[in-house]
Amino acid sequence: DGGITQSPKYLFRKEGQNVTLSCEQNLNHDAMYWYRQDPGQGLRLIYYSQIVNDFQKGDIAEGYSVSREKKESFPLTVTSAQKNPTAFYLCASSIGVGTQETQYFGPGTRLLVL
Amino acid sequence: GNSVTQMEGPVTLSEEAFLTINCTYTATGYPSLFWYVQYPGEGLQLLLKATKADDKGSNKGFEATYRKETTSFHLEKGSVQVSDSAVYFCALSDRAGGYNKLIFGAGTRLAVHP
Repeated sequence: DGGITQSPKYLFRKEGQNVTLSCEQNLNHDAMYWYRQDPGQGLRLIYYSQIVNDFQKGDIAEGYSVSREKKESFPLTVTSAQKNPTAFYLCASSIGVGTQETQYFGPGTRLLVL
Repeated sequence: GNSVTQMEGPVTLSEEAFLTINCTYTATGYPSLFWYVQYPGEGLQLLLKATKADDKGSNKGFEATYRKETTSFHLEKGSVQVSDSAVYFCALSDRAGGYNKLIFGAGTRLAVHP
């Protein structure tokens, strides 16, 4: 089955710890995205990558880092600099260009701070 | 900047009732418009989309029409089911930065009772 997988489903972070969220897609999509969702709110863009070895900051990139070494993978690291990391993190990938581009989402990772 | 405004929830309906969830947007240019649905504890699923004025997106009995004159993209369904209970997000594509960022509304929770 083609799709986007995220792991783990739940992740616990201790103070001062960096944690990495996994996102893998086998849809052959070029672009990938990371969003953050807080309770009762819409999603906000953290980072995006349009091609391998290239990525750009979104609206709330502070305290986060990413890499894009393979087309299929776009891991997100939540660093100790992110002071309020508790949230639901969603990865997406997209197909199409311009007005035809559509983003598809993974099942998400819930990050909690111990 | 571009933005999306959705009606506040929760929206509570009885099974087989008619559903409308209002969505209006502010945007420069001609964005594509989307409705996504999120079931508890899951990621977002694309419900429908429209890419230009007067387009109607439809899926699973839901439909929405891209109205440029009223800058609206209201979601409707003629007869809701208990299984439609979820949070619904309206979104637009913002390509101002040279990439396709989705801007989301805050979401509207729908609860359907038997």
